[in-house]
Order: sequence, then structure tokens, then C-alpha cells
Amino acid sequence: AQKVTQAQTEISVVEKEDVTLDCVYETRDTTYYLFWYKQPPSGELVFLIRRNSFDEQNEISGRYSWNFQKSTSSFNFTITASQVVDSAVYFCALIGGPRRDDKIIFGKGTRLHILP
Amino acid sequence: GAVVSQHPSWVICKSGTSVKIECRSLDFQATTMFWYRQFPKQSLMLMATSNEGSKATYEQGVEKDKFLINHASLTLSTLTVTSAHPEDSSFYICSARDLLGGGRETQYFGPGTRLLVL
Repeated sequence: AQKVTQAQTEISVVEKEDVTLDCVYETRDTTYYLFWYKQPPSGELVFLIRRNSFDEQNEISGRYSWNFQKSTSSFNFTITASQVVDSAVYFCALIGGPRRDDKIIFGKGTRLHILP
Repeated sequence: GAVVSQHPSWVICKSGTSVKIECRSLDFQATTMFWYRQFPKQSLMLMATSNEGSKATYEQGVEKDKFLINHASLTLSTLTVTSAHPEDSSFYICSARDLLGGGRETQYFGPGTRLLVL
């Protein structure tokens, strides 16, 4: 069975602070994909990153960085020098299972508040 | 990037009426589309997988007679909420898998449709 756990339900930080959103996943498959999405108040999902199970390189995109650790089944997301516009709900997600199975399993999300 | 649209973006209806939501892939072909439902402050829950030219596959606990899905073409899937009730009020989001542009991991989400049943 596939599962994504985002233990942090809600986080509040002051602007310019760094913040890390945790994501732990479960899958029995060797080939899988991990995602992070941002959902601002408008509701539209914004794709942030996709990572396949064979690529453990960490990634940095501007103020965003991701730390993929297969040994701990974690795919954490860090925002550096946070800004008010980063306030949103962030979802970690997983596609795993048989090759023809393309269901995305979402975590429960972390609501991030960046305080001015 | 690939674009998926949904129409309408907002709908308010009376209890007992049926509501149709469209999901279109604008610049790619999608043999598979997915329908999700999201209640306030909750995560996205997959309702069904829509396959072009065949019957949809529903997740456990989703009533197929209440949530009718039609995927008549490679660019359009529709979700009809039949005899809607207030508990059906939710945010409905579709996603589409790009047939030619990548593997199962290449999916694009629509902007969502907010349904309010009075």
C-alpha cells in the first residue's frame, strides 16, 4: 500500500525565516515518483517538483530546496528566507504501485502561514 | 506547460438538481483523467479514474450512480453530480495524463470547480 504522511498540520513562521516541511512516504515498489504541490487560497494546485526513486540528488530552485532520502523514506521541502506569498497549503504526493497504476496519493497537507 | 481547464469554476445549485463539470486538456491528448474531491481543510481524495472510450473506475466508497463520469474524447471528461445535496458541496479537481508527453508521472491539474449545494 502507498501512503504519504505529513506530520505537520500547520506551521507559522515570521517572514524571512527558513522553514522545512516534512514528508514521509511508504511504498513497496522500487520505481515511484514523489511530488510537492502548493495550493494557495485560490485553490489551484501549483506543481513544484517531481522526483523519481532513482534520483536521490537534492534539488534547489531559488528559495526552494528538496532533500530526498531513500534511507528514511523522506522527501522534505525547505523554503529559505520565507515570504508572505509563500503562505499556502503544501501537499506531498506519491505515485507508486504497478507500472500501469498512475494514481497520485496525497498527504494531508501542511498549512503554512508566513507572518509579516 | 500543458494546460487543463475546468468549467465552471463556481457553481451554486439547489438541492436535488444535477450539475455537470467539464475537464478539458487544451494542448494535449489525455486517455486518462482523474477526478478528485477536496473538502475544506482536507486533502485531495481520488474519486475515480476516467478512461477515454470506456467506463470509469471508481474508488471505494464513491457512488458511481451519483457521480457520473463520461470521457467521450481524448480532450474532455465530464463529471455529473446527480441529485446534488448539501453534503456534495466541495471543491472538485480534475487531472489529466499526457498520452504522448511522458509516463504515468506526467499529470496536469485543472484549476478546480467549487460546488455549493443549497
